[in-house]
Amino acid sequence: GDSVTQMEGPVTLSEEAFLTINCTYTATGYPSLFWYVQYPGEGLQLLLKATKADDKGSNKGFEATYRKETTSFHLEKGSVQVSDSAVYFCALPHTQGGSEKLVFGKGTKLTVNP
Amino acid sequence: DVKVTQSSRYLVKRTGEKVFLECVQDMDHENMFWYRQDPGLGLRLIYFSYDVKMKEKGDIPEGYSVSREKKERFSLILESASTNQTSMYLCASRYRALKYEQYFGPGTRLTVT
Repeated sequence: GDSVTQMEGPVTLSEEAFLTINCTYTATGYPSLFWYVQYPGEGLQLLLKATKADDKGSNKGFEATYRKETTSFHLEKGSVQVSDSAVYFCALPHTQGGSEKLVFGKGTKLTVNP
Repeated sequence: DVKVTQSSRYLVKRTGEKVFLECVQDMDHENMFWYRQDPGLGLRLIYFSYDVKMKEKGDIPEGYSVSREKKERFSLILESASTNQTSMYLCASRYRALKYEQYFGPGTRLTVT
């Protein structure tokens, strides 16, 4: 079935370091792809999305490019801040029996130190 | 701004108690969801509802039931709480037309002792 695999965390970086969080997917066709973020003590919120192959989603300095050749949607940021400390989830849509759901990766916890 | 609220941030219950978790959204979203979040397991879908009085089982419905009598409110019910239901519970909602963009509440951390 459809699934996403994220790199295991936790990830610890110093402020202004470069961030990559890997995400690969298994799906039929070319689904939309999403990154959600969960800040401490909060629910998830949509960070960025890409709706077709070769699209680049971007928001708050984060970027992810939908690469169908490698079935990947890696999250990147050139210079992280302490405020980026959060758990990041890759997700893709899955339709089963007429129901449309999101399938989430297990999440990658990022800690950014000053 | 879309707002999804959950009735409690923290809840402690005893084994065997009946537990109600409430979720309310203020944007007239048709679809609502309940997930549980556990370390190393990510988010797992318990139940979802496409509209009032409609519900479908998710991936882990055992031990849970739901109720949606009004469009804005979606309740998760633990009929007889057990210690393995200790978890973070997240509610979400979405416009049916936007399909996959879900809006989440802050979560309820439930501890069953």
